[in-house]
Amino acid sequence: EVRLVESGGGLVQPGGSLRVACAASGFTFSTHWMSWVRQAPGQGLEWVANIKPDGSEAYYVDSVKGRFTISRDNAKNSLYLQMNSLRAEDTAVYYCAREGHYSNWYYFDWWGQGTLVPVS
Amino acid sequence: DIPMTQSPSSLPASVGDRVTLTCRASQSIGTYLNWYQHKPGTAPKLLIYAASTLQTGVPSRFSGSGSDTHFTLTINSLQPEDFATYYCQQVSRARSFGQGTKVEI
Repeated sequence: EVRLVESGGGLVQPGGSLRVACAASGFTFSTHWMSWVRQAPGQGLEWVANIKPDGSEAYYVDSVKGRFTISRDNAKNSLYLQMNSLRAEDTAVYYCAREGHYSNWYYFDWWGQGTLVPVS
Repeated sequence: DIPMTQSPSSLPASVGDRVTLTCRASQSIGTYLNWYQHKPGTAPKLLIYAASTLQTGVPSRFSGSGSDTHFTLTINSLQPEDFATYYCQQVSRARSFGQGTKVEI
C-alpha cells in the first residue's frame, strides 16, 4: 500500500530555516510528480510546490518563491522541502502528496498525515 | 496562479439532504478540476478528478460537473460521515485550491 510519512517539523524562530522530509513507500516513487501542501491554523489548503519525477523542474506558489526549495532523492524514495527565511505566516501543517494522473489529468491521490511547523 | 473561489463558505445541512457546492475559476481551466474532502486531523481525500470522474472507492452519492470556469460538487442523500470541508483544486496551470466549503450540521 502507498504510504507517505512526513518528518522534521518543529518550532522555529522567524528568520530561521527548517527542512521537512517525506518518506514514500508502496509505489514507484521515481515515476510520480510530488507536491507539498500546507494548512495554516484555521485556514484552508494551500499548494506550496511540486517537482517533476526526475527532479529537473519545480514550481512554487508566489509566497514562497526564493525562500523554499523542493527537492527529491529517488534512490531514497524521499521528498524534501527546505524552508528558509521563515515567517510567522508560514506556520502550518505541511503535507506531502503524490500526484497521480490519468492521461493529462493530474490529481493528489495519496497524502501523508502532515508535520507541524510553528514559526514563533 | 489561477485563483479559485468556492461558495458558500459554510453550508448548514442535515442527514439525507442533497447539497451542491460551487467552485469558480478566474480563467478557463477546461476540466482540470479536482474535489477533495478534508476532516480535522486527517489527510485530505480525493473524491473527483477531471471535473466529473469519481475516484475509485468513493460512494456514488458524490458527483461532479462543469467545465471552463464553473464547477459543482453534488452530494446526494448526505450521510453523517460527509460532514467535512470540501476543496476544489485546479491543475491547469501549476496548482491551487479554493478556500473550501464547510458542510456542517
